[in-house]
Amino acid sequence: AQSVTQLDSQVPVFEEAPVELRCNYSSSVSVYLFWYVQYPNQGLQLLLKYLSGSTLVKGINGFEAEFNKSQTSFHLRKPSVHISDTAEYFCAVSERGSQGNLIFGKGTKLSVKP
Amino acid sequence: EAGVTQFPSHSVIEKGQTVTLRCDPISGHDNLYWYRRVMGKEIKFLLHFVKESKQDESGMPNNRFLAERTGGTYSTLKVQPAELEDSGVYFCASSQARLGGEQFFGPGTRLTVL
Repeated sequence: AQSVTQLDSQVPVFEEAPVELRCNYSSSVSVYLFWYVQYPNQGLQLLLKYLSGSTLVKGINGFEAEFNKSQTSFHLRKPSVHISDTAEYFCAVSERGSQGNLIFGKGTKLSVKP
Repeated sequence: EAGVTQFPSHSVIEKGQTVTLRCDPISGHDNLYWYRRVMGKEIKFLLHFVKESKQDESGMPNNRFLAERTGGTYSTLKVQPAELEDSGVYFCASSQARLGGEQFFGPGTRLTVL
């Protein structure tokens, strides 16, 4: 069965510092990979996705993630965070050839402090 | 273009009562998904519609949950009778393409069962 592990439930960081949110997945088949962000009182918004091709994926708001097949990881990074990046971040996978339903990690709350 | 909308935003009911949640997907999106997040846990898939047909309802917890999508437009999720463990945030998402396509999420309905 597929599963997604987000290793950190909370990540506090100072403004303008770099950040990495970790995500590992387990699957017996090939998957698509996603990062979603949820700002307070809003729905989930897609940050970026990996379908195929280059393993380094760039998304919105300066975020990027790298797919590492051997380590089954898809860590999210940003070189310099802003206060406005404070939100909850979700890593998700969907199985290639499936109906597209997403399997999520438990989420990581990023708190950016001035 | 309007995004995915959900109604109500919050619902507080007593155990044993009935509640109906509504989701209006983005116009033209054939795929509609329901997810649920119980406090402290990951977001979990409930079911998937393609137009008015249920493609996958493997995530539905039990037969107290009934989902419909009349005419392939909006969808409702009814919980009858509600139990304490049904409390959580119910998200709806829609997409055009199935394979790797971005799912657009609504803001969620927060259901509290007392």
